[in-house]
Amino acid sequence: SQKIEQNSEALNIQEGKTATLTCNYTNYSPAYLQWYRQDPGRGPVFLLLIRENEKEKRKERLKVTFDTTLKQSLFHITASQPADSATYLCASTSGTYKYIFGTGTRLKVLA
Amino acid sequence: DTEVTQTPKHLVMGMTNKKSLKCEQHMGHRAMYWYKQKAKKPPELMFVYSYEKLSINESVPSRFSPECPNSSLLNLHLHALQPEDSALYLCASSQPGQRTEQYFGPGTRLTVT
Repeated sequence: SQKIEQNSEALNIQEGKTATLTCNYTNYSPAYLQWYRQDPGRGPVFLLLIRENEKEKRKERLKVTFDTTLKQSLFHITASQPADSATYLCASTSGTYKYIFGTGTRLKVLA
Repeated sequence: DTEVTQTPKHLVMGMTNKKSLKCEQHMGHRAMYWYKQKAKKPPELMFVYSYEKLSINESVPSRFSPECPNSSLLNLHLHALQPEDSALYLCASSQPGQRTEQYFGPGTRLTVT
């Protein structure tokens, strides 16, 4: 079955460093991958979308890459801050409406 | 207005109760979704409405009954729930299509006693 995996359940990094989160997909080839941020007890918030023919997308301190050969997307937060601490989810669609979410990575940025 | 609202924020109900969750968006989105999320797990798709018609039902038990009265509103009617149905219920909306992002509401924290 179609699957998205985020291989780090939790990641702790020092403030100011770059956080890199990984998303791997199996058994399908998504045309788009999305990244969301979720704070405890709140709904996910959309951050970035990248298409399969785009190598890289940036938004302020955020960068996403999409490698169809490795079946992987990387999500980077540069100059990380304690306020970046949250769970980050990658997602894609299987068909028009069926969104599949990865298991999420809980990022903690230490001051 | 890029907001999805959900009411109530918290709900405690007994196994014999009937209650409803409500969701509203005014972004003109024509797809609306219900998700269930357990602690430390990703959101799990339950239902999708597209142009006010039910497009996807992910084999959800009939004790959950969705309704889409119009393009801005989405309800989830609850009846005879089990304690294992306790979770965060999230509503989302989007434009139809794969290349669009979803906008989520803050969720309803449901506890079934």
